[in-house]
Amino acid sequence: QSALTQPPSASGSPGQSVTISCTGTSSDVGGYNYVSWYQQHPGKAPKVVIYEVTKRPSGVPDRFSGSKSGNTASLTVSGLQAEDEADYYCSSYAGSNNFVFGTGTKVTVL
Amino acid sequence: QLQLQESGPRLVKPSETLSLTCSVSGDSISSGSYYWGWIRQPPGKGLEWIGGFYYSGSTYYNPSLKTRVTVSADTSKNQFSLKLSSVTAADTAVYFCTSGWTHLVYWGQGTLVIVSS
Repeated sequence: QSALTQPPSASGSPGQSVTISCTGTSSDVGGYNYVSWYQQHPGKAPKVVIYEVTKRPSGVPDRFSGSKSGNTASLTVSGLQAEDEADYYCSSYAGSNNFVFGTGTKVTVL
Repeated sequence: QLQLQESGPRLVKPSETLSLTCSVSGDSISSGSYYWGWIRQPPGKGLEWIGGFYYSGSTYYNPSLKTRVTVSADTSKNQFSLKLSSVTAADTAVYFCTSGWTHLVYWGQGTLVIVSS
């Protein structure tokens, strides 16, 4: 299984929105509604911010939202804040009890 | 609230077996509710799923690592472990133990394992 494709970087000014794409295939992203997004600050463990494509865990600000169209999932961070600067990884169920991560996107708040 | 903590050797020689243990507190690994697994991250690189299990079911591995990986549980100690055989420098990474359902909610702090002679 190949890693899901994400852009290496994305950026925005405080208050703006940034959207990160995650492209897979019909065998992973397109085939299941089990796409998750993880935020990782340097030296820290990842933290889930979106699961099952659109759901937000308790405690995660509603500035974070997820969507999916075909084989591509997206994470949008609205109203960017300094603390949103981090690496973001998507993940998808890939069938046969396998999971696959995306290549990761570094979000910079300008 | 689940808490997970990795432990094990930080330095492993090439061709040997990497062994890590994840100690769990806050719930029993035999409760059957959670997925328990391992993720790794080479320095400066992305996340890679290694494998894991549901206690009531089977164990599942990344196909690219399947021939070298074993994940198992020790319910008496409320721990689960990772063994990765025939390691090379490419296996140098931060190894995280993790748990959740359709998504990974609980993570250990991660432990850096270096493969070097």
